[in-house]
This record gives sequence, structure tokens and C-alpha cells, in this order.
Amino acid sequence: DVKVTQSSRYLVKRTGEKVFLECVQDMDHENMFWYRQDPGLGLRLIYFSYDVKMKEKGDIPEGYSVSREKKERFSLILESASTNQTSMYLCASSLLQGGTEAFFGQGTRLTVV
Amino acid sequence: AQRVTQPEKLLSVFKGAPVELKCNYSYSGSPELFWYVQYSRQRLQLLLRHISRESIKGFTADLNKGETSFHLKKPFAQEEDSAMYYCALSGHGGGKLIFGQGTELSVKP
Repeated sequence: DVKVTQSSRYLVKRTGEKVFLECVQDMDHENMFWYRQDPGLGLRLIYFSYDVKMKEKGDIPEGYSVSREKKERFSLILESASTNQTSMYLCASSLLQGGTEAFFGQGTRLTVV
Repeated sequence: AQRVTQPEKLLSVFKGAPVELKCNYSYSGSPELFWYVQYSRQRLQLLLRHISRESIKGFTADLNKGETSFHLKKPFAQEEDSAMYYCALSGHGGGKLIFGQGTELSVKP
């Protein structure tokens, strides 16, 4: 059974805090993705990684950074959380080649107060 | 630039009616197109992809390169089809996976 696991289901953080969202996959996938999911806006790509220590900006990278030190783990970092970063965050992984299925985590609902 | 557009936020039909969820894309190159579905309180999961050319749960989607569309169709909707549907695109060689805004399908009894 393939698995993408996000470390927290719900998080509440204060404005200005540094926030870490962790994602682990056990499928030996090269690609890993971080999205935020907002009603009416769909899934917007924050960052994408195709290999250890490699990353590419997505459509909305501002205010976020990522870390991929090991193939199975992809972390999303909010350097200084703001209320407009309150959202559902989804992690996904897939094989390197195009046309393959992406597998998603259960999501982390982050609330910044 | 890569872009996926789903023009309908909400589609409401009665059970047994035909369904078509629209998806248009913008991509310079050979795209790979997908439909993903999210049922209530479940993870996002793949429904189908254009390279498979298969029917899943009665749904089909045809890639029309001339119209840059990948509409999802089902001839007879069922209540269990009610969910959020996302169209997605990646390059033929892999890379970024970009999603549309999503369409909520509601099938009424």
C-alpha cells in the first residue's frame, strides 16, 4: 500500500512563527510536490523537487521555502507565518517520468492566528 | 506558460443525467493530462490519464489537441460521483504537475 504521510493533520500557529510541514513517502519516488488548496482557487503549486537537494519554484513560492535532504522527505517551511497562509497544504509524490500517477498525503490544515 | 482552466466551479445534475466537466489547457509541447478526484474526507486520487485511454467508473476523457481540451464525461451520473474533480497537466518528460481550479460535481437523487 503506497503511502505519503504528512506529519500533522491540523496545526494552529501564531503570526510570525516559523512553521515546518513535513512529508514522507515510502515509494522511492523522485518527484515531490507541495500545494496549497483553497476553495475556488484549486491546487496551487508552491514548490517542486525532482531529486535530493533540487527544487523548483511553483506558482506561489513567496513566503515559503523547502528542504529535501533525503529522497523520502520533503519539508515546507513558512519562515514567518502570516494569516494569509491559513490554508490546506497537500504533499504529493510521483515517479520522475511524465504521465505517471501522483500520490497525495492526507493534508495539513494550517491556521495562522 | 503551463495553465489549466476549469470554467465551472459547481456542476449540479440529477442521477442518470449525462455529465461533462470541462478542462482547457495551455502548454507549449506535449502535455500529459490527468483527472484527479477528491471524495468527501478522502485524499486526492487519480481518476484517469489520457495516455491510458481507459474508462474508470464510467468516466472517459479525450484529449483534443486542436481545442486544447480534456473534458471529462460520463453518460449516466450516479450519486456516488459527487466529489471535487481536478484537471491536471504535466510535461511529457515529467516535471511540474499543475492543477486547475476544480469543479464540484453534485449529483442529486
